[in-house]
Amino acid sequence: DTGVSQNPRHKITKRGQNVTFRCDPISEHNRLYWYRQTLGQGPEFLTYFQNEAQLEKSRLLSDRFSAERPKGSFSTLEIQRTEQGDSAMYLCASSSTQAKKLFFGSGTQLSVL
Amino acid sequence: GESVGLHLPTLSVQEGDNSIINCAYSNSASDYFIWYKQESGKGPQFIIDIRSNMDKRQGQRVTVLLNKTVKHLSLQIAATQPGDSAVYFCAEVGGSQFYFGTGTSLTVIP
Repeated sequence: DTGVSQNPRHKITKRGQNVTFRCDPISEHNRLYWYRQTLGQGPEFLTYFQNEAQLEKSRLLSDRFSAERPKGSFSTLEIQRTEQGDSAMYLCASSSTQAKKLFFGSGTQLSVL
Repeated sequence: GESVGLHLPTLSVQEGDNSIINCAYSNSASDYFIWYKQESGKGPQFIIDIRSNMDKRQGQRVTVLLNKTVKHLSLQIAATQPGDSAVYFCAEVGGSQFYFGTGTSLTVIP
């Protein structure tokens, strides 16, 4: 399977702890996106990369959130000092520059207790 | 940000009937639209797309209609099956950005 892969699938953490999620995009895709989704809502944009460059971040994104894509392949999303409001599904998606289709991973479900 | 909304949050249909899911978008400059299907515990899955220079596109059992005059998008599913039960999202694309609506939950009654 060469789709978008996300790890872990589930993460339970205590408030105040740091968490890190990983995304492996489709190998030939140079664009990678992070979204957050809460129950009953559509995916909400967080940030996106073209190759290793982070080109855009949501203005709603707290400075506790940081994302990297150091070699233009996999990406990590870190949340520092987690809060209960961070509980959500974190989705990663990738696309090529030519095609506008986004391919999503299965997401990481975060629960902050 | 962009506003992409759906008229009905839930829809129930009998198996074998046709389903119509509607979506309103706000940015008349969006040049591309996509419908996604999301099953429980999974990421959104691409269904069908349409460019702004088209008003209709057909796939296998699905048809997307685009009315740019009223900024409205619809997804028609023919002969709905139990496996079609999911949440459906429309997304409008502007440049490299994808904006998603709230979603419609489709339930197929056997």
